[in-house]
Amino acid sequence: SQTIHQWPATLVQPVGSPLSLECTVEGTSNPNLYWYRQAAGRGLQLLFYSVGIGQISSEVPQNLSASRPQDRQFILSSKKLLLSDSGFYLCAWSVLSGGGTEAFFGQGTRLTVV
Amino acid sequence: QKEVEQDPGPLSVPEGAIVSLNCTYSNSAFQYFMWYRQYSRKGPELLMYTYSSGNKEDGRFTAQVDKSSKYISLFIRDSQPSDSATYLCAMRGLEGSQGNLIFGKGTKLSVKP
Repeated sequence: SQTIHQWPATLVQPVGSPLSLECTVEGTSNPNLYWYRQAAGRGLQLLFYSVGIGQISSEVPQNLSASRPQDRQFILSSKKLLLSDSGFYLCAWSVLSGGGTEAFFGQGTRLTVV
Repeated sequence: QKEVEQDPGPLSVPEGAIVSLNCTYSNSAFQYFMWYRQYSRKGPELLMYTYSSGNKEDGRFTAQVDKSSKYISLFIRDSQPSDSATYLCAMRGLEGSQGNLIFGKGTKLSVKP
């Protein structure tokens, strides 16, 4: 069965510090991978998605970047965090074939920038 | 007009009540419709998944899609305190950026014992 791992669960970082959040998927090949941010009252905002190694699409211009160094690894990064980067970050995967399928989420990372 | 509209609630019901959760959308290209349940400080988990119009039932949960009205619903029968969570609707089209999920903001449900 497929599983998705996301870590850390909680992170407190000072303004201006770097960020690296990692997500890995097991039990599937060539998944589509996604990073979402969820802020209170604002729903899930798609930040990045990737259909393959080294292929990253950005949905929202911002202080963050993403990379996919391996088929089942997706990394969210920032060189210098802003207060506005605080939020709940979720990694997700799906496999699109033909019409498409649903997405499955990790347990999230709660980031607080202080 | 936002692509997906969902009443944020909160919605409070007594145990055993029938719960109706709804979303409306504007993009007629959406073909796949999902409901996710999210407990506090956890990632969303998939509850129901339907394609195009129609009904789908799974235990106490029923999902309905009316594409002509661009309206989807999730019904929960015999609601339990363990159903207390935020419910997110999501939908997608077929290809390109339309293949990415678009989420509602979620409705917070509280089922009182």
